[in-house]
Amino acid sequence: QAVVTQEPSLTVSPGGTVTLTCGSSSGAVTSGHYPYWFQRKPGQAPRTLIYDATNRHSSTPARFSGSLLGGETALTLSGAQPDDEAEYYCLLSYSGAWVFGGGTKLTVL
Amino acid sequence: HLQMQESGPGLVKPPETLSLTCTVSGASVSNNSYCWGWIRQPPGKGLQWIGSICYSVNSYYNPSLESRVTISIDASKAQFSLRLSSVTAADTALYYCARHPRWYPDFDYWGQGTLVTVSS
Repeated sequence: QAVVTQEPSLTVSPGGTVTLTCGSSSGAVTSGHYPYWFQRKPGQAPRTLIYDATNRHSSTPARFSGSLLGGETALTLSGAQPDDEAEYYCLLSYSGAWVFGGGTKLTVL
Repeated sequence: HLQMQESGPGLVKPPETLSLTCTVSGASVSNNSYCWGWIRQPPGKGLQWIGSICYSVNSYYNPSLESRVTISIDASKAQFSLRLSSVTAADTALYYCARHPRWYPDFDYWGQGTLVTVSS
């Protein structure tokens, strides 16, 4: 089964911009992997931020954006806020099988 | 509103079978617009999708676990269940049930999770 890779941790300053990336051991990530991004805060269930690589969920703030770039999928946070400190997980689809990445712990400091 | 609650033994001996049930309130598990899934998180690791079931449709599983997993649904009890056979310590995890639209991993409701430890 493919392994989905993410940075274990990243730090961003309040008001700053950070990009989280998600790659696949089986090759380039494409729109055919229907990439999802989830945010998870301590003690809470994950919530969907981005679906199909670039589409914001209805409740996702506009400061979050998704993209496909350089064979990976990316989540960019522009104008980070303290409330954005959380774990972020990507998910890729492989012919109907869903694989999560290991998660990125984002610190806003 | 919709609530989901996992239940089952917190300790399972290897190589027995892990069995968990998710009870759904506030929604019908026989709604064909949604499917019902299991996701787990081993200590210190990331999330792993185990599989999902959609009422009146076959269940579908993570290929890495498929040989050991069975997910079933009982609409009369508003429940769906997970069975994972031949468990090892690697199956120790926080197990969650969650709802998602048919065919899309847009998990919108989750249970609070239940810790299952595999140990002799």
